[in-house]
Amino acid sequence: GAVVSQHPSRVICKSGTSVKIECRSLDFQATTMFWYRQFPKQSLMLMATSNEGSKATYEQGVEKDKFLINHASLTLSTLTVTSAHPEDSSFYICSALGLGTEAFFGQGTRLTVV
Amino acid sequence: AQSVSQHNHHVILSEAASLELGCNYSYGGTVNLFWYVQYPGQHLQLLLKYFSGDPLVKGIKGFEAEFIKSKFSFNLRKPSVQWSDTAEYFCAVKTSGNTPLVFGKGTRLSVIA
Repeated sequence: GAVVSQHPSRVICKSGTSVKIECRSLDFQATTMFWYRQFPKQSLMLMATSNEGSKATYEQGVEKDKFLINHASLTLSTLTVTSAHPEDSSFYICSALGLGTEAFFGQGTRLTVV
Repeated sequence: AQSVSQHNHHVILSEAASLELGCNYSYGGTVNLFWYVQYPGQHLQLLLKYFSGDPLVKGIKGFEAEFIKSKFSFNLRKPSVQWSDTAEYFCAVKTSGNTPLVFGKGTRLSVIA
């Protein structure tokens, strides 16, 4: 199956700093990628839809200025958590759409803001 | 917008017991259906998926699911669970096109010896 690589898998940062998470489709081109957030013991909640070459579409309640998404190429989307706070600590997961509309998931990034 | 309901929040079974986890979705059009498993501390893994054809889908690790269109359901089953099946199970729905998966809240399965 198709592979989606997400990096880093874990990151710890100080409050007020920014963190960038990368999501790459390794063996296929993905015009559309999705970013999810998962709180402990909860389900995945869609944050935004990222389309190559255009602005991301954010779900209601997600601050676009805080969670910057860039989808500059067909194989790479990045999520930058700006001015991170402890409440941003979570598990972030990306997903890329392959052919046939099947979605492939990255390994996830556990962000801890201290 | 579509939504997914997983009725069981936490299921506790003994080893060798049979498993059925409920999943219902709300969407009137064509859907693709998925079950994912998340073992403690690990990322999502696809168990099985339904796109079209035979509504009884077999997946990995002995799991299967049946799509019943009239009931908008896609229940997950396994005849005999093992301790290693302890995990969180997520049902997800996707409509056609460049749309995201919508996940249910998940069901935590605990298998005890």
